Amino acid sequence: EVQVVESGGGLIQPGGSLRLSCAASGFAVNTNFMSWVRQAPGKGLEWVSIIFIGGSTFYSDAVKGRFTISRDNSKNTLFLQMNRLRTDDTAMYYCARDTKDWGQGTLVTVSS
Amino acid sequence: DIVLTQTPLSSPVTLGQPASISCRSSQSLVHSDGNTYLSWLQQRPGQPPRLLIYKISSRFSGVPDRFSGSGAGTDFTLKISRVESEDVGVYYCMQATHLLSFGGGTKLEIK
Repeated sequence: EVQVVESGGGLIQPGGSLRLSCAASGFAVNTNFMSWVRQAPGKGLEWVSIIFIGGSTFYSDAVKGRFTISRDNSKNTLFLQMNRLRTDDTAMYYCARDTKDWGQGTLVTVSS
Repeated sequence: DIVLTQTPLSSPVTLGQPASISCRSSQSLVHSDGNTYLSWLQQRPGQPPRLLIYKISSRFSGVPDRFSGSGAGTDFTLKISRVESEDVGVYYCMQATHLLSFGGGTKLEIK
C-alpha cells in the first residue's frame, strides 16, 4: 500500500528553522516527482516545492531562498528544510507523491 | 505562473441532484509530452486533500463513478451526477503541467 507520513512540525519563533520529513512506503521516492503543499488556517492549497525524478528542484516565490527540498533514497524519505521562518509560513504542510497520494499533514506554527 | 480560476466559489446543492464546477487556466495545460495534467481534488472537513480525477478525466482508484471530469486546453469541468452527503467539502482543481498550482477552491454544501 502506498503511504506518505509527514512529521517534524511544531511551534517555532519567527526567524527559526524546522525540518519536515515525509516517510514513504509502498514506492520509492526517487521514482516519482514529490512535492510539498501547504494550507494556511482557513485558506486554500498553496504549492511550496517540488523535486523531480532527475533531482531538479523548484520553489514558489514565497519560499525561494529560505526552504530547501531534498530526499534520501536510502531512507525513502522526502525532506523540507525551512529557514528564516515567518508568521505567514504558519500552515499545515502536506507531502504528496505525484498528484496522487497525500499524507495527513504536519502543522507548522510560527509565532512569538 | 499559471493561474487557475474556479467557479463558483460556493455551490449549494440538493441531495441527489447534479453539481458542476468549472476551472479555467491562464495558459494551455497541454504538456510537451501531449498529456494535460489537470487534476481535481476533494477535501472533506478536517481531512487532507484526496485525488479524484487526474489527466482531465481519469478517475483515481476507489473514486465513485458519479464523479467525472472533462475539458481541454484551458477550460475544465468536474461533474457530480448525483450529490451525496459524503460529497460535502471543498473541491480544488490542480495543474501539474507547469510545476504545480491550484484553483482557489469551490465549497460544496447541501441545501
